[in-house]
Amino acid sequence: QSALTQPPSASGSPGQSVTISCAGTSSDIGHYNYVSWYQQHPDKAPKLMIFEVTKRPSGVPDRFSGSKSGNTASLTISGLQAEDEADYYCSSYGGGNDPYVFGTGTKVTVL
Amino acid sequence: QVQLQESGPGLVEPSGTLSLTCSVSGGSVTNNYWYGWVRQSPGKGLEWIGDLNHAGTTNYNPPLKSRVTLSVDKSKNQFSLKLTSVTAADTAVYYCASSTGWYKIDHWGQGTLVTVSS
Repeated sequence: QSALTQPPSASGSPGQSVTISCAGTSSDIGHYNYVSWYQQHPDKAPKLMIFEVTKRPSGVPDRFSGSKSGNTASLTISGLQAEDEADYYCSSYGGGNDPYVFGTGTKVTVL
Repeated sequence: QVQLQESGPGLVEPSGTLSLTCSVSGGSVTNNYWYGWVRQSPGKGLEWIGDLNHAGTTNYNPPLKSRVTLSVDKSKNQFSLKLTSVTAADTAVYYCASSTGWYKIDHWGQGTLVTVSS
């Protein structure tokens, strides 16, 4: 199972919105509603931000939202803040032998 | 709140076996969670290695399946990873992780760097 495709970088000014795409196939994102997003600050462990495409774990600000269309999922950060500067990874269920297919990662920069 | 902590050697010789243990606090390895491992090569993305539950059911990433063994020690509230025949390509930060289900990783350890070198 190949990695999901994300843009290497994205950026925005404080207060703006940024959207990150995650392209998969009809065998993963297009077939299942088990898309998650993780935030990773430098030298830190990833943190779950979105699960099941649109759901937020307790404690995650509602500035973070997820969506899906066809074989592509998206993460939108509204009202960008300095602490949102981090790497973001998507993940999708890929079937029985591939519970976790990760994306290539996107570095979000707050200008 | 489940907390996870990895432990094990930071240096492994080529062709040797990488062995890591994850200690679980704030929860039990006998609950209905899935416990597993994810690695991240320097400057690269995340790679799922495998997971298991309290009943011993295991799932492995197909490219690594022949070299990976996961196990759980209920008496110590720990779970472990063994990766055999390692090469430099196995150099990475190894994270232990847990999931309450539905293919999301809820909790992560802080990660431990394992370098494969002679």
